[in-house]
Amino acid sequence: EVQLVESGGGLVQPGGSLRLSCAASGFTFSRYWMHWVRQAPGKGLVWVSRINSDGSSTNYADSVKGRFTISRDNAKNTLYLQMNSLRAEDTAVYYCARPEMATSGEWFFQHWGQGTLVTVSS
Amino acid sequence: DIQMTQSPSSLSASVGDRVTITCRASQSISTYLNWYQQKPGRAPKLLIYAASSLQSGVPSRFSGSGSGSDFTLTVSSLQPEDFATYYCQQTYSTLLTFGGGTKVEIK
Repeated sequence: EVQLVESGGGLVQPGGSLRLSCAASGFTFSRYWMHWVRQAPGKGLVWVSRINSDGSSTNYADSVKGRFTISRDNAKNTLYLQMNSLRAEDTAVYYCARPEMATSGEWFFQHWGQGTLVTVSS
Repeated sequence: DIQMTQSPSSLSASVGDRVTITCRASQSISTYLNWYQQKPGRAPKLLIYAASSLQSGVPSRFSGSGSGSDFTLTVSSLQPEDFATYYCQQTYSTLLTFGGGTKVEIK
């Protein structure tokens, strides 16, 4: 069974840093790209970042580029999101997600973690 | 970035109603369009992928259609467990985007 378990969330002051983790199990982690998606309280889903299977390629939403860094440790089956220079608007539940690809080539998020809450406030 | 516009943003419906939610992309995305259902405090759940493919285990009252820039999610007969928020998502471009969501409430 595929499991994704996020951790590392909490309360941090504006300008501070936090590192989120996503522990993966039930599949060969090193074969999959991985993503982070966030959701501010009472708001919609927003894609944050993605990383390819070996960690050599990353992409970011404009809102976090230059402040957040996605990485992975395939030996530990763990995905990370290093968040620096945090702002109040970064307050959200952060989900990790594993994509699947349809036979026709389109891809989608079948597996999600339960999320971890990050609150940026003084 | 590709913008995804969902409508309506909310709707009230009764059990047994047919419900339709639309999603429009700011450019053509072929069939790189997915639909998710989310209930409060829970992670999103995949309903439809590749615009019209029903995810395994999802009831057949859910269906998706469309290609290019206009897409539709239909629930043929709304059930009590279907009251939730629904999101479309495009995976055509490198920078993924979601629609703003449609909250389906009980009338």
